[in-house]
Amino acid sequence: DTAVSQTPKYLVTQMGNDKSIKCEQNLGHDTMYWYKQDSKKFLKIMFSYNNKELIINETVPNRFSPKSPDKAHLNLHINSLELGDSAVYFCASSSPLSSRGSPLHFGNGTRLTVT
Amino acid sequence: AQKITQTQPGMFVQEKEAVTLDCTYDTSDQSYGLFWYKQPSSGEMIFLIYQGSYDEQNATEGRYSLNFQKARKSANLVISASQLGDSAMYFCAMRRPISSGSARQLTFGSGTQLTVLP
Repeated sequence: DTAVSQTPKYLVTQMGNDKSIKCEQNLGHDTMYWYKQDSKKFLKIMFSYNNKELIINETVPNRFSPKSPDKAHLNLHINSLELGDSAVYFCASSSPLSSRGSPLHFGNGTRLTVT
Repeated sequence: AQKITQTQPGMFVQEKEAVTLDCTYDTSDQSYGLFWYKQPSSGEMIFLIYQGSYDEQNATEGRYSLNFQKARKSANLVISASQLGDSAMYFCAMRRPISSGSARQLTFGSGTQLTVLP
């Protein structure tokens, strides 16, 4: 199946731990993103990578570090987890702009719970 | 900065009826793209429909249509013949042009929770 897949689906961990979320897309897209959805369902861009290069880094604490080993992968590593990091994290990808708007294709999300 | 506003936190519609979900946006760009996504309770984000700012006709995709009123900066989603499976959170989103320095990311509104009643 062609898709954006992210793992794990659920992540429960304690404050202070370090964790990673993996994302892979087999759609041949050149841009990948990380979004955070908070408890009120608000979606906010965190990072955007184009051809393995970081092009957006919104006001995200530097405890969050994205890594893109190749165009098809964008992983998110989080150091020293805090309670406020609890959220659903979505990976997404998009193709170069086209007449159909090049929508973002999202993974199924990773629900991170920090206790 | 661009802003997307969805003023309806929740909406109810009777099955088989049509429903309009409101979205207004604020931008000084001439070129931009508008998107609608559906998020069911299972959590995935599903792309529904796209409208380019220069598109003269309103976009349609099956039972979904986008009522685009450029002068009013509104891009309302119309769902015809609602089905129980349409119950979900719906998000309006906008993309700025690359020339603005945007990296093609979407900026999302706060969403509208639609409940379809049997």
